[in-house]
Parts: sequence; C-alpha cells; structure tokens
Amino acid sequence: DTAVSQTPKYLVTQMGNDKSIKCEQNLGHDTMYWYKQDSKKFLKIMFSYNNKELIINETVPNRFSPKSPDKAHLNLHINSLELGDSAVYFCASSQDPSGGQETQYFGPGTRLLVL
Amino acid sequence: QKEVEQNSGPLSVPEGAIASLNCTYSDRGSQSFFWYRQYSGKSPELIMFIYSNGDKEDGRFTAQLNKASQYVSLLIRDSQPSDSATYLCAVTSSYKLIFGSGTRLLVRP
Repeated sequence: DTAVSQTPKYLVTQMGNDKSIKCEQNLGHDTMYWYKQDSKKFLKIMFSYNNKELIINETVPNRFSPKSPDKAHLNLHINSLELGDSAVYFCASSQDPSGGQETQYFGPGTRLLVL
Repeated sequence: QKEVEQNSGPLSVPEGAIASLNCTYSDRGSQSFFWYRQYSGKSPELIMFIYSNGDKEDGRFTAQLNKASQYVSLLIRDSQPSDSATYLCAVTSSYKLIFGSGTRLLVRP
C-alpha cells in the first residue's frame, strides 16, 4: 500500500503547454505539501494545505496553482510551462499543521522535463 | 529566507567507519530538526528527528543538536555501502521545513 502517491512519475512536454500533477495520501494526514527539487538537489517548499485550506504559499509564479479537493488529495496545475520549470516535484504529507513536529512523508516524485 | 547549510561532499568513508555529517542553520527560533536520506532517483525518507539539545540514538544513527551553536549533526556508525546516499538536513522555520542542499556520502567496500 502506497502511503503518498503521485501521477505521473515522468512528464515530458513542450514549452507553453499546461500540465497537472496529482497527489494522494492514504495516511489520514491533515496537511499536504508540494516541493520542488532542482538539478542541484535543493528541495524547496512551494505550497502547503491543511484540511483543504492554503496555509503556505511561497514565492512561486502564479502559473503554478495548487488545488485540494479534499484533505487526501493535493494537485498541482502548471500553466505556460517554461524551461526553468524542469525539476522533480515531490508531494508530501504530515499530521501536524505546523509541519514541524511530525514527520513529513514524501511521494515518489514527478520528474518534469520541459523542452 | 532562512538558511540551512551543509557541505555538499562527497564524504567518502571506508566500510565499517563512522560517517559524520554536519549542518548549520540560521534561524535561532527553529524548534525541530530532521535528517532525511535520499537515494539517487528516489524520494527523501526520514532517518531521525531531534527536538532537544544533546544526543539521540537510533540503531547505528546518532543525531546531535546544539542550539546555542545552531549546529546539527548525524553520526552513522559501522557505515555500510548501502548507506551511500545524499543526506538532507531539514529545520523548521516559520512553520515550514527548510532543507539544506544535502551531503553526498560514499561508503567504500
């Protein structure tokens, strides 16, 4: 049983396209996150949702729009893809809304390549 | 932006040796500290967390925290080739988890 799952695992697309990545967790956690890991392996938080409410919104271009239909799902839609969006995107979840006192469990990642 | 700094490595140790990984952080208000391991092409997985000054041991792993010096370390005893990975230090800051860029560890057979 996968705790945090993401689809797709790989995404290759052209500049200017719009794409979505989906995330689901079956851990019963209240908080979900999106992270971006660049080619230098630097892992940076983008968004965090707690019970479908946006609680963290880092300095991310507004081409990125997260959506949480329920607390088990957090999707990421990206408009007008750019070369610099190429990275691995990780979804994660945790129980504690502060995101600090409890372990964050990561999904397998979505490797996005923009050509 | 608050920072977490790690030496990128690679840190190369022989099998059976102790590997020592270090991390410094800038936010004095940080309360929780984590070490994640990330194998190439995989997602980060939690190794240890520590909240209080001092040492915390779990099997071959020991996390050390010194809040006055804003310093966290991870010791891996009896290092195995399977420990070869990138180790990410993460620190809470303003209800977010801030990651360092990771230290690559190579354990030579």
